[in-house]
Amino acid sequence: DAKTTQPPSMDCAEGRAANLPCNHSTISGNEYVYWYRQIHSQGPQYIIHGLKNNETNEMASLIITEDRKSSTLILPHATLRDTAVYYCIVRVVNSGGYQKVTFGTGTKLQVIP
Amino acid sequence: SQTIHQWPATLVQPVGSPLSLECTVEGTSNPNLYWYRQAAGRGLQLLFYSVGIGQISSEVPQNLSASRPQDRQFILSSKKLLLSDSGFYLCAWSGFGFMNTEAFFGQGTRLTVV
Repeated sequence: DAKTTQPPSMDCAEGRAANLPCNHSTISGNEYVYWYRQIHSQGPQYIIHGLKNNETNEMASLIITEDRKSSTLILPHATLRDTAVYYCIVRVVNSGGYQKVTFGTGTKLQVIP
Repeated sequence: SQTIHQWPATLVQPVGSPLSLECTVEGTSNPNLYWYRQAAGRGLQLLFYSVGIGQISSEVPQNLSASRPQDRQFILSSKKLLLSDSGFYLCAWSGFGFMNTEAFFGQGTRLTVV
């Protein structure tokens, strides 16, 4: 599995953009970058994913560097409800053709009023 | 649409007692199914995954076992719980194969072994 490295915690003022970095320097060519978040005591929620190009949806934007060794999740206008642990992962496809999803410890984002 | 159900939401069990957590998925067929555990303040640890009925792969040696008696049913079990089995257990499903699919999680079961 390509491993990811994220800062353990970050603060962001409410209404400002939250930029969450992730390093995945050993990512291979067919691995996608996925972001999930987990609000306290709930199951993780899918946010966004990408391979090479930058992606945007109603929740966030994903910026992937040209060498694909790092990415940044951007929450354009953070709200208190965005306080959660954010996980950056890369998808692994094993020899059997199926996927398993392995999570690290993530970044705990605290949005401050 | 697809949904995933996991129960119970909370559980308090004495050491040495058995465990059975159930997870079912609706609205899809032949999903990949996963059991994760999250200890307090830790990341999600993959325990088991399954690509089909009766096919279980274990990621870490432990006191737990998993079974998949039906296509959309995944069960996590233990014959004798240990204190270290306490944690937040999550069931998840994803699509099959090399397709670019995301994983969907249940709401979790908080297990406290006393």
